[in-house]
Amino acid sequence: GDSVTQMEGPVTLSEEAFLTINCTYTATGYPSLFWYVQYPGEGLQLLLKATKADDKGSNKGFEATYRKETTSFHLEKGSVQVSDSAVYFCALHGPRGGSNYKLTFGKGTLLTVNP
Amino acid sequence: GAVVSQHPSWVICKSGTSVKIECRSLDFQATTMFWYRQFPKQSLMLMATSNEGSKATYEQGVEKDKFLINHASLTLSTLTVTSAHPEDSSFYICSARQSGTAYGYTFGSGTRLTVV
Repeated sequence: GDSVTQMEGPVTLSEEAFLTINCTYTATGYPSLFWYVQYPGEGLQLLLKATKADDKGSNKGFEATYRKETTSFHLEKGSVQVSDSAVYFCALHGPRGGSNYKLTFGKGTLLTVNP
Repeated sequence: GAVVSQHPSWVICKSGTSVKIECRSLDFQATTMFWYRQFPKQSLMLMATSNEGSKATYEQGVEKDKFLINHASLTLSTLTVTSAHPEDSSFYICSARQSGTAYGYTFGSGTRLTVV
């Protein structure tokens, strides 16, 4: 079945450092890929998404490119802020109509940014 | 934008009692709602998928009689934890998929359940 493997944390960075959180996936067909962010005590918020190969999702300075050849969707940000401290989840959704549109999540990566 | 309201945000109950968690889509119709359970420092575990007007589809290993899910309308789904025990303590999150979209998932803010 579908699966998502993402870099285990925790990741601790200083403000303005460069961030990379690796994510690779296994899926049949051509999935859509997502990054979600979860702030302490809250639900998940969609950060960005990409629906086909070579698409780049971007939002709030974060970027991720759908790489079909390496089955990857790594999250990057050039300069992190303290407010970026949260748990980041990589996720995929199978082909349209499959599996009742269920999302498959990675285990999450805790990011802490220090001032 | 799409908003999902989940209540309560936290609840403490005694062992043996039942707890109901509500998930409402405020400004859109949710064809499908998903219920997740999240253990500390772990990912989300999908418990069940519910479609309006039909029985929920439970994931393997999830007890149907313990976690009752009702999706009576296009804007409301409820999860009832029956005869709760301390091992049911967890963070429960709902998600709603907007009708007519394949990627329009909106998550609730979660419910912290503590069973004492």
